[in-house]
Amino acid sequence: QVQLQESGPGLVKPSETLSLTCAVSGYSISSGYYWGWIRQPPGKGLEWIGSIYHSGSTYYNPSLKSRVTISVDTSKNQFSLKLSSVTAADTAVYYCARPAGGDFYDAFDIWGQGTMVTVSS
Amino acid sequence: QSALTQPASVSGSPGQSITISCTGTSSDVGGYNYVSWYQQHPGKAPKLMIYEVSNRPSGVSNRFSGSKSGNTASLTISGLQAEDEADYYCSSYTSSSTLGVVFGGGTKLTVL
Repeated sequence: QVQLQESGPGLVKPSETLSLTCAVSGYSISSGYYWGWIRQPPGKGLEWIGSIYHSGSTYYNPSLKSRVTISVDTSKNQFSLKLSSVTAADTAVYYCARPAGGDFYDAFDIWGQGTMVTVSS
Repeated sequence: QSALTQPASVSGSPGQSITISCTGTSSDVGGYNYVSWYQQHPGKAPKLMIYEVSNRPSGVSNRFSGSKSGNTASLTISGLQAEDEADYYCSSYTSSSTLGVVFGGGTKLTVL
């Protein structure tokens, strides 16, 4: 079955760039589907960050768009998130997920376990 | 994109039914049938419970049902069980400002 696994530094300094990768197993990214990133600050709700198609087409949350880049590497069957100029407000559990249908706005039925990223000096 | 509005908490006794509301606008909940609901237990990733307003993924109990009227979507859980105690989030496609996905603030369900 399809599985997602996030990886990356658990601690990032303020003003630096947060970088995470989501490794996909059980499915080839090149075959289709959008792939998304969602985050959840401690004790707070979910926030969609953005989504990418295997071709590289992207959709971003407008509140984060100026700082976010999502990319895909089909050769490694993974996709990545970069969030620049981070502050303490970016401290959160970051999830990668796949929508059930073929479009970025479909419900996310497959989720990674999540990775906690803390922004602190 | 503004977050969808959910009650902060709801509660019910075992065996009872509860309903969680999710209010948006005509640019999201009211305009499209791409409303979904997620269950999240502490320390766990969200689990999809309802998609496209009222559809249940395979394996989800039929005690969970979804509906929509105007700009408000609802999740109903019947025959409450202790294991249903969790946070619940709604989500919708949105065409407000730019195309995207918006979540609700979440509702804490307590089974008394």
